[in-house]
Amino acid sequence: GQQVMQIPQYQHVQEGEDFTTYCNSSTTLSNIQWYKQRPGGHPVFLIQLVKSGEVKKQKRLTFQFGEAKKNSSLHITATQTTDVGTYFCAGRSSGSARQLTFGSGTQLTVLP
Amino acid sequence: DGGITQSPKYLFRKEGQNVTLSCEQNLNHDAMYWYRQDPGQGLRLIYYSQIVNDFQKGDIAEGYSVSREKKESFPLTVTSAQKNPTAFYLCASRSISERVNTEAFFGQGTRLTVV
Repeated sequence: GQQVMQIPQYQHVQEGEDFTTYCNSSTTLSNIQWYKQRPGGHPVFLIQLVKSGEVKKQKRLTFQFGEAKKNSSLHITATQTTDVGTYFCAGRSSGSARQLTFGSGTQLTVLP
Repeated sequence: DGGITQSPKYLFRKEGQNVTLSCEQNLNHDAMYWYRQDPGQGLRLIYYSQIVNDFQKGDIAEGYSVSREKKESFPLTVTSAQKNPTAFYLCASRSISERVNTEAFFGQGTRLTVV
């Protein structure tokens, strides 16, 4: 079955440093979604990428979808304490409308 | 006020007891999902349902059961057969479309503790 792997599992950064999490799929994806879960909260949708090589930005967050549509990354520039949480990617395989497979998540800690 | 609601927020269970976690959505979504999350861990799929009266096992279905008698509701029962049930349980829903890629909406979660 489809597998979505995410690295690193944990990341500690000093406030102001950059942060990147990577997502890799065993199969070609029709789209990739990113979610953020604050400590004690539930995952909340951030963004979706659909096109090969697509890059989207949300303020300090930059999302990329690989050319082969099998990997994606989330980069945060100049982290702030409000960025603390776990970031999940979720992918849907080409040809399957119904299954959304979540990565294992990257837990980000930002030290003030 | 549309959304997905889980109850209760906190639940305590004695060993050997079955408990049922509620999940209700008024978003008219076809698909509903149950995930388990352990401290510092990702989301592991327990069960999912794409249509009323039909559901499929996820990666860790053993010790759990579900029903989907109504489109709006997808309760999860944690049975006594689940050896390590203490965890954070998340319910999610999304619409299904062949053409449009849809996001998942999550409930607030239920934190289950076995005492």
